[in-house]
Amino acid sequence: QSALTQPPSASGSPGQSVTISCTGTSSDVGAYNSVSWYQQHPGKAPKLMIYEVNKRPSGVPDRFSGSKSGNTASLTVSGLQGEDEADYYCCSYAGITNVLFGGGTKLTVL
Amino acid sequence: QVQLVESGGGVVQPGRSLRLSCAASGFTFSGYGMHWVRQAPGKGLEWVAVIWSDGSKRYYTDSLKGRFTISRDNSMNTLSLHMNSLIAEDTAVYYCARHFSSGTLDSWGQGTLVTVSS
Repeated sequence: QSALTQPPSASGSPGQSVTISCTGTSSDVGAYNSVSWYQQHPGKAPKLMIYEVNKRPSGVPDRFSGSKSGNTASLTVSGLQGEDEADYYCCSYAGITNVLFGGGTKLTVL
Repeated sequence: QVQLVESGGGVVQPGRSLRLSCAASGFTFSGYGMHWVRQAPGKGLEWVAVIWSDGSKRYYTDSLKGRFTISRDNSMNTLSLHMNSLIAEDTAVYYCARHFSSGTLDSWGQGTLVTVSS
């Protein structure tokens, strides 16, 4: 199966909000409420930011939120801060034998 | 706290084999499924394989064509990835990650770099 589709880049000024999309198909994103989002700073391991579409792990600021409509999931970062500048990856369950990642979006804080 | 530490990476010639390990601590290892995910230099994340908590089921990404084998030793709290017939395209940082729920990997190791080159 193909990777999920994300925009390669996104940007916003400090304090603003930015939304990153993640488009899949009716066999993955559209079929399950099993979309997660990961933040990755350069040279670091990915960090779980959102799971099961819109749940936040303990310790993740509530500035991060997730949603889904049809085959597209979204990550919204509100009140942008400099430390939010990173790569973001979506991930979806795609059946018992498959986990799909998006291609990644580089978020720049202007 | 949860800790995952990968090891075993390095430079290997095309066609050779390599075994990666992931040492787990800070949680009940035998109670969780585990994944391997890789990231080629400058590229995105690619899911590689998953193994059930008891090792009874294992699944792989289709592109590997049977070259990799995921395994675990719950008595030693260790996850492994045996990689055979390595090709240049296998060059990547390999991460082990803990399964939380379908499509959710909640804890990741720091990764180990595998370079396939002659």
